[in-house]
Amino acid sequence: AQSVTQLGSHVSVSEGALVLLRCNYSSSVPPYLFWYVQYPNQGLQLLLKYTTGATLVKGINGFEAEFKKSETSFHLTKPSAHMSDAAEYFCAVSHSNSGYALNFGKGTSLLVTP
Amino acid sequence: DTAVSQTPKYLVTQMGNDKSIKCEQNLGHDTMYWYKQDSKKFLKIMFSYNNKELIINETVPNRFSPKSPDKAHLNLHINSLELGDSAVYFCASSSSGPITDTQYFGPGTRLTVL
Repeated sequence: AQSVTQLGSHVSVSEGALVLLRCNYSSSVPPYLFWYVQYPNQGLQLLLKYTTGATLVKGINGFEAEFKKSETSFHLTKPSAHMSDAAEYFCAVSHSNSGYALNFGKGTSLLVTP
Repeated sequence: DTAVSQTPKYLVTQMGNDKSIKCEQNLGHDTMYWYKQDSKKFLKIMFSYNNKELIINETVPNRFSPKSPDKAHLNLHINSLELGDSAVYFCASSSSGPITDTQYFGPGTRLTVL
């Protein structure tokens, strides 16, 4: 079985500051890892994903994440926060033995202050 | 040209009623999913269909019955609605293969049971 833990249900950063959202996973098999963003009253949009290959993954809107097997982590970062980044962020894991269904973390709400 | 659409967007109903939520995707995907997001924004897989066949059925009450008339549609019927069914329900779709493809989410249906 696979699961993810997102550390920090709320993160607040100043505009222009580094964004770091933490995600640790648990998986008995090599995982597929995802970050999704949810803006208020909207569906989920994929930011980036790791399946195989390069462990540093670049996504949309300037976000990136690094798969670190030794630390079982897949933290999301962005060098400089914009006001428009304020949203709910979900880390998720999947694998073929779960029918590729996404197992989500509990989410991190990102607040960006002027 | 919406990729994954759901109807209705909002659904308010009384306890004990039966209701349906419809989902359609025009991406040519062969796998569709239903997820439930509770009031704490936690997302959990409910069902997954591949080529109209049920492949995932999580511990969901049998009052919930998914139906897939064709690969492009996955509807969710709920009998005898209960207060605890109030949530946002998201449909998603993806293509299957040896490496999981991105899941595209619909805008969600907010169900309120009174």
